[in-house]
Amino acid sequence: KAGVTQTPRYLIKTRGQQVTLSCSPISGHRSVSWYQQTPGQGLQFLFEYFSETQRNKGNFPGRFSGRQFSNSRSEMNVSTLELGDSALYLCASSFGTETAGELFFGEGSRLTVL
Amino acid sequence: DQQVKQNSPSLSVQEGRISILNCDYTNSMFDYFLWYKKYPAEGPTFLISISSIKDKNEDGRFTVFLNKSAKHLSLHIVPSQPGDSAVYFCGATSGTYKYIFGTGTRLKVLA
Repeated sequence: KAGVTQTPRYLIKTRGQQVTLSCSPISGHRSVSWYQQTPGQGLQFLFEYFSETQRNKGNFPGRFSGRQFSNSRSEMNVSTLELGDSALYLCASSFGTETAGELFFGEGSRLTVL
Repeated sequence: DQQVKQNSPSLSVQEGRISILNCDYTNSMFDYFLWYKKYPAEGPTFLISISSIKDKNEDGRFTVFLNKSAKHLSLHIVPSQPGDSAVYFCGATSGTYKYIFGTGTRLKVLA
């Protein structure tokens, strides 16, 4: 079956702009989580959505937001971009009904902020 | 507040020898732990997991050990192969569907 698909794979923005990243989970998965990967910081949890509701949230400023649609696809938005937002943004999906289960990651969207 | 810590940013091991990657956690509510492997330009892929009711789980060349009293887990790879060269992330969850990961350890297996 198709894996987790993230678009776009690469993008370049300038400070102050906003960006929207998209994630299509594995068919049947209703949970989508977002992570930011930067050198030295590892995978930092942004938020998790399940059935269109944000179920968990990490410690990121309000400039980072997300949403999930009825087909489980998810988008995350970063407004007023800063240089420090340059990172690989990873999306992971799961069934979301097991508290101990595997996350399936996409290949990520690499954002560069100039 | 780094709840999951991987204190070794990198590790080099000879092919055929054992690789031991370590992970410490601070949240005693964590009850499920996972290891992921990540190659450059790819997303992390699941390697092995362990529940807090166990202290060891094996899958082929990979074994994860959990020491709850020390809040420590380790991943053993035996024997190590050049294809194991990647960044390894340790992750944990406490039944909230929120998975917390460490900063990763870059493993290099030398041929």
